[in-house]
Amino acid sequence: GDSVTQMEGPVTLSEEAFLTINCTYTATGYPSLFWYVQYPGEGLQLLLKATKADDKGSNKGFEATYRKETTSFHLEKGSVQVSDSAVYFCALSDLQGGADGLTFGKGTHLIIQP
Amino acid sequence: GAGVSQSPSNKVTEKGKDVELRCDPISGHTALYWYRQSLGQGLEFLIYFQGNSAPDKSGLPSDRFSAERTGGSVSTLTIQRTQQEDSAVYLCASSLNPAGGPDTQYFGPGTRLTVL
Repeated sequence: GDSVTQMEGPVTLSEEAFLTINCTYTATGYPSLFWYVQYPGEGLQLLLKATKADDKGSNKGFEATYRKETTSFHLEKGSVQVSDSAVYFCALSDLQGGADGLTFGKGTHLIIQP
Repeated sequence: GAGVSQSPSNKVTEKGKDVELRCDPISGHTALYWYRQSLGQGLEFLIYFQGNSAPDKSGLPSDRFSAERTGGSVSTLTIQRTQQEDSAVYLCASSLNPAGGPDTQYFGPGTRLTVL
């Protein structure tokens, strides 16, 4: 079946540091890829998405590029802020896998220190 | 407009009791999803509705779990004879789900279920 693997953390960085959260996937078909974020005390929010190979999703200074050859969708940000502290989930949607629900990674807890 | 809403926000119940969790999707969204978020298992997909029908029930963990959707809108997730391992946050999401591909899912705040 489909699966998503991401570093679980916690990942602790200083403000203005460069961020990379790795995400790799396995899928039956040709999935769409997503990053969701869960801020403390809040619900899941879509951060960015990409629906085909070489697409780059971006939002709030975060970027991720759909790499089909390496089955990866790594999340990056050039300069993190304290307000970026949250749990980040990589996810995929694979209609050919037979289900329309999202398959999530375990989540990466990011802590940004001032 | 209003987002996805869920009720109750918290539910504490005793082992063996039945519970009903409610989800109100975003108006006009035809697709509705239930997920479970627990410490041990992360985020798990439970069930998906397109309109009132559920083409995919593959994620329901046991026959104690059931869900329905009426009028293409509100959905209820029912857990019968609750067990302690059912304790989790139950999330609902909805999407426009246009033909031909997946669409962004918008999540509600969740219902935190605690089974004593």
